[in-house]
Amino acid sequence: GENVEQHPSTLSVQEGDSAVIKCTYSDSASNYFPWYKQELGKGPQLIIDIRSNVGEKKDQRIAVTLNKTAKHFSLHITETQPEDSAVYFCAATSYDKVIFGPGTSLSVIP
Amino acid sequence: SAVISQKPSRDICQRGTSLTIQCQVDSQVTMMFWYRQQPGQSLTLIATANQGSEATYESGFVIDKFPISRPNLTFSTLTVSNMSPEDSSIYLCSVEDGQRTYNEQFFGPGTRLTVL
Repeated sequence: GENVEQHPSTLSVQEGDSAVIKCTYSDSASNYFPWYKQELGKGPQLIIDIRSNVGEKKDQRIAVTLNKTAKHFSLHITETQPEDSAVYFCAATSYDKVIFGPGTSLSVIP
Repeated sequence: SAVISQKPSRDICQRGTSLTIQCQVDSQVTMMFWYRQQPGQSLTLIATANQGSEATYESGFVIDKFPISRPNLTFSTLTVSNMSPEDSSIYLCSVEDGQRTYNEQFFGPGTRLTVL
């Protein structure tokens, strides 16, 4: 079955700097890759996603890239703000199953 | 996206008892899911709940321990039975947006369960 790895597990950046979180997946049949942000005490929130036929997608300060050949995808957050502090989960979808990565705890230091 | 609510938001329970968690969606959805998130961990799918059929459980989860109901297209319940401290987790329901091609899932706020 699908296996999703995520790095780093924790990330601390200064406000205004960029943050990058990387994920790899194992199942070449995976075709949809969402990213979720989970703030303390809340459920995960879908923040951006990318389909397998697209290499890059951007939404304001957030961008996601996908390399299908290498089976890895990344989340890029530019101009980080304290409210970006949260746990971020990547996921890969294969045959209607969504498999989540272990998560990255991002801290943005004011 | 669908608006999802869960009840209760949190609870503290004694071992050996059972707790039923409710999930309500503001629109009709075909696919509903129940996840468990143990402290500091990622999300693990417990089961898929489709209206009009038995829930489909993932490996490691059984109906006797986690019975699920799905009486209509906007509501589902998950019961955690005969609880032990190892069941202390966040339980999340999610729904799949059937209007889209891919499997976007949207999550409720979660139920934080502590078993003493």
